[in-house]
Amino acid sequence: GAVVSQHPSWVICKSGTSVKIECRSLDFQATTMFWYRQFPKQSLMLMATSNEGSKATYEQGVEKDKFLINHASLTLSTLTVTSAHPEDSSFYICSAKRAGQNYGYTFGSGTRLTVV
Amino acid sequence: AQTVTQSQPEMSVQEAETVTLSCTYDTSESDYYLFWYKQPPSRQMILVIRQEAYKQQNATENRFSVNFQKAAKSFSLKISDSQLGDAAMYFCAYRSARQGGSEKLVFGKGTKLTVNP
Repeated sequence: GAVVSQHPSWVICKSGTSVKIECRSLDFQATTMFWYRQFPKQSLMLMATSNEGSKATYEQGVEKDKFLINHASLTLSTLTVTSAHPEDSSFYICSAKRAGQNYGYTFGSGTRLTVV
Repeated sequence: AQTVTQSQPEMSVQEAETVTLSCTYDTSESDYYLFWYKQPPSRQMILVIRQEAYKQQNATENRFSVNFQKAAKSFSLKISDSQLGDAAMYFCAYRSARQGGSEKLVFGKGTKLTVNP
């Protein structure tokens, strides 16, 4: 089956530093990647959608200069949280969609980010 | 914009019994897809079942089935013979099928299901 590897699974960083989260589709080509944020006991909030080779489309209210998304290849997308602050602490999940498939959404296992 | 509503924040069921989770959605589109995802404590999102709006027949996957009422914009999930491993957060999701439309999933707020032994 399709697998999306997300790393790291958890990270602790100091305020003001940047953190990069990677999502790799291991056995398929992901033409579209979705990045979500999930607060405790809440739903997934879509942050941005990225297509391979083009700029990401951010949801309203999401700071594109703070959450940098790169989708440089069909198997790798990265989310960089720049100048992280404690309020950025959250659970981040990626989801990869296979080209030509309407239901082919494969989720990564998530990254728990704690900013101290 | 489409919205998905799950009116039951929490539900509980006895092991081996049946439980139904509710989901309603709002859309002006006629063609779309609906999904139920499960998120266990590991927080890995797992697809439980999906339904194409153009299909009248309700989807079924083993112990999981849906009651899709297009006119009422309702998409409930029935879990039969509940097992301890079914305990999780369940999210209902919508995706437009419009040509050139967004491929993003719109999620409901989720229902936490507890299975009692």
